[in-house]
Amino acid sequence: GAGVSQSPRYKVAKRGQDVALRCDPISGHVSLFWYQQALGQGPEFLTYFQNEAQLDKSGLPSDRFFAERPEGSVSTLKIQRTQQEDSAVYLCASSKQGDQPQHFGDGTRLSIL
Amino acid sequence: AQSVTQLGSHVSVSEGALVLLRCNYSSSVPPYLFWYVQYPNQGLQLLLKYTSAATLVKGINGFEAEFKKSETSFHLTKPSAHMSDAAEYFCAVTWGGATNKLIFGTGTLLAVQP
Repeated sequence: GAGVSQSPRYKVAKRGQDVALRCDPISGHVSLFWYQQALGQGPEFLTYFQNEAQLDKSGLPSDRFFAERPEGSVSTLKIQRTQQEDSAVYLCASSKQGDQPQHFGDGTRLSIL
Repeated sequence: AQSVTQLGSHVSVSEGALVLLRCNYSSSVPPYLFWYVQYPNQGLQLLLKYTSAATLVKGINGFEAEFKKSETSFHLTKPSAHMSDAAEYFCAVTWGGATNKLIFGTGTLLAVQP
């Protein structure tokens, strides 16, 4: 596709369940970013990949959060043992190189009950 | 810590009026600056970017922004608001480096009154 694709668009899970969120970046984009956007707030950086290498995971809020990009294309953000405070929109962005503008997907809205 | 401040979480203007959304950053080192727009239930769309070239940057949909180093500001303007401009606007900065992660302001929700 032409843009960044994220799935699912909406995810509802019970507290304690594990979830997996998928991001399909723009073809050929080397850099991939994950952001978390709480209600009424701006997005906050979670983690960054250059190809398959995770170069920065300083924004991951706890060890329950894990991201991977094994073949340098599609990325998955996994949250284990979800908590209510994990409820947010998770945005994925990609760019050609690190210093090029980031193009965002429509996000996954995660609700933890 | 480096940060971005957007003054005014809600701004309301009349259709046809000037739009002014404010953004200030905290650093003596000029960053790369961006404005993004977010429509309900959608991701962020890039409006414009400043990357140390011309200080007056023109973007899409008639928006422009001026980088003022002395004021550490990058305010977004549009001469005449249209109903379709109603959305949330985010200012973002990056100081480069290996990550180039964006640091966002808290956003300004723009309402356009008929």
